[in-house]
Amino acid sequence: GIQVEQSPPDLILQEGANSTLRCNFSDSVNNLQWFHQNPWGQLINLFYIPSGTKQNGRLSATTVATERYSLLYISSSQTTDSGVYFCAVVDQNFVFGPGTRLSVLP
Amino acid sequence: NAGVTQTPKFQVLKTGQSMTLQCAQDMNHEYMSWYRQDPGMGLRLIHYSVGAGITDQGEVPNGYNVSRSTTEDFPLRLLSAAPSQTSVYFCASSYSLPGVGQPQHFGDGTRLSIL
Repeated sequence: GIQVEQSPPDLILQEGANSTLRCNFSDSVNNLQWFHQNPWGQLINLFYIPSGTKQNGRLSATTVATERYSLLYISSSQTTDSGVYFCAVVDQNFVFGPGTRLSVLP
Repeated sequence: NAGVTQTPKFQVLKTGQSMTLQCAQDMNHEYMSWYRQDPGMGLRLIHYSVGAGITDQGEVPNGYNVSRSTTEDFPLRLLSAAPSQTSVYFCASSYSLPGVGQPQHFGDGTRLSIL
């Protein structure tokens, strides 16, 4: 089955800094989504992005399907951005990466 | 709009006990699924359903049963709880199959501890 890797595993930022999270996947996919799991454990959809670039406020994502990776950009980070960021790709069902744990310090 | 509702939020069981985790959605979604999340790991698929009366196994189905008698409900049953099933369980739903590109909506999770 499809393998999903995410890097870095952990990231600590000062408030206001920018960051790039990466998701690599081992085969072509029909669907890729980014999720944020907040410190209370809730999973929140960020982007559905099988290809191309999307932006939502301070967050944007780019997927290069032909090269099997996706990037999540967070600009001007805030403490509320803390949590774990997962990418998930679809084989027949969702396959989740291990996540990047982001801590934004005030 | 309630979305995906999971009950209970927390549960402690003894080894060998059985229980049912409840999941309900009010969005008329056809696709529903159960995941478990262990510390430091992403979510792993336990079982899924593409519609009422249809269920199938995911990556880690052993020790769990599911049924889908209605579109709204998708309960997960632990037949004989084992400490290895200590985890956080998430239910999710979407309008159609994940490959079609519909976003998944998650419940808030059930934290289950098996002693």
